[in-house]
Amino acid sequence: AQSVTQPDIHITVSEGASLELRCNYSYGATPYLFWYVQSPGQGLQLLLKYFSGDTLVQGIKGFEAEFKRSQSSFNLRKPSVHWSDAAEYFCAVAGNTGTASKLTFGTGTRLQVTL
Amino acid sequence: SQTIHQWPATLVQPVGSPLSLECTVEGTSNPNLYWYRQAAGRGLQLLFYSVGIGQISSEVPQNLSASRPQDRQFILSSKKLLLSDSGFYLCAWKSSKGAKQYFGPGTRLTVT
Repeated sequence: AQSVTQPDIHITVSEGASLELRCNYSYGATPYLFWYVQSPGQGLQLLLKYFSGDTLVQGIKGFEAEFKRSQSSFNLRKPSVHWSDAAEYFCAVAGNTGTASKLTFGTGTRLQVTL
Repeated sequence: SQTIHQWPATLVQPVGSPLSLECTVEGTSNPNLYWYRQAAGRGLQLLFYSVGIGQISSEVPQNLSASRPQDRQFILSSKKLLLSDSGFYLCAWKSSKGAKQYFGPGTRLTVT
């Protein structure tokens, strides 16, 4: 069964500092990987995805993530954090077989940005 | 373009009362539909998914049920709510040929 681990429950960074949110997955084949962001009381917005090809993927809002098969990781990065990036971030994995493509989410990392 | 709607946005219900949450998708046909729950301080848990009208798969045993009476309508129900049913419920859709899921705005349910 597929699973996702986000080891950091809560991270605080200063505005302008760099950010890296960790994500490790477990899946028997090449997975589909996603990062979603959730602002308080809101639904989830897709930041970026990895399906195949270039292992460094660019997303919206200046985020990027790198797929490292050897480490089963898909860490999210941003070179300079803005106060508006404060939110909860979820990493997710989906199997690439079958039509259902069920997403399995990590428990999330809450990002706090200090001014 | 495709849009996904959920209502109500917020709901407070007493224990033992029934529940009906609705999700509709516009601008696409034959989508895969999903219900997730996000309990306080926890990640998202897939509750149900549907690949077509009348086709419902349940991921976890629980007090809830789902139905898909129309192609783009997905309903989450309960006959008698429990305190543990409180949470943030998210509906999502996906093209039957794609992998990206798009989420609705969610419904916050508080069971008192």
